[in-house]
Amino acid sequence: GENVEQHPSTLSVQEGDSAVIKCTYSDSASNYFPWYKQELGKGPQLIIDIRSNVGEKKDQRIAVTLNKTAKHFSLHITETQPEDSAVYFCAGYNQGGKLIFGQGTELSVKP
Amino acid sequence: GAGVSQSPSNKVTEKGKDVELRCDPISGHTALYWYRQSLGQGLEFLIYFQGNSAPDKSGLPSDRFSAERTGGSVSTLTIQRTQQEDSAVYLCASSSQGVGELFFGEGSRLTVL
Repeated sequence: GENVEQHPSTLSVQEGDSAVIKCTYSDSASNYFPWYKQELGKGPQLIIDIRSNVGEKKDQRIAVTLNKTAKHFSLHITETQPEDSAVYFCAGYNQGGKLIFGQGTELSVKP
Repeated sequence: GAGVSQSPSNKVTEKGKDVELRCDPISGHTALYWYRQSLGQGLEFLIYFQGNSAPDKSGLPSDRFSAERTGGSVSTLTIQRTQQEDSAVYLCASSSQGVGELFFGEGSRLTVL
């Protein structure tokens, strides 16, 4: 079945710096890779996703890159701001159609 | 329209009691997921419903856990004979398509004393 590994588990950056979170997956049939942000006391919310027919996707300060050969994908946040502080989850679908999440990365942006 | 609604938002129960957690998905969404999130931990898959297909129950941790989805809409997660290790936030999510964005509720926080 699908296994999604995420690292680092915690990440602390200074405001204005960049943050990178990486994930690897095991199911070669996976073709959709979302990233979710979870703020304290709330459910996760989709922030960006990528499908396997592209290698990179950007949305303002957020970008995701995908390397299907190596089975890994990464989230890049540039010019980080204190409101970016949250827990971030990557995810991948297995062949059965269920979404499996990585272990999460707690990002702290220090002003 | 309304998002995914979960109830209760908080539940405190005694060890050995049964609990029911409810999820109202977004209207028209065919896919519904339950996840469990222990304190400071990731999202553990529990069960997945897609349309009229048989649910994927492969994530349920024991036979004390069960879930149903009535009429393709509301879902109930039932935990029988609760144990302290069942304490967690139970998150429900729905989606309009097989592969795409999941919309999460705010979760039901369960505390087993």
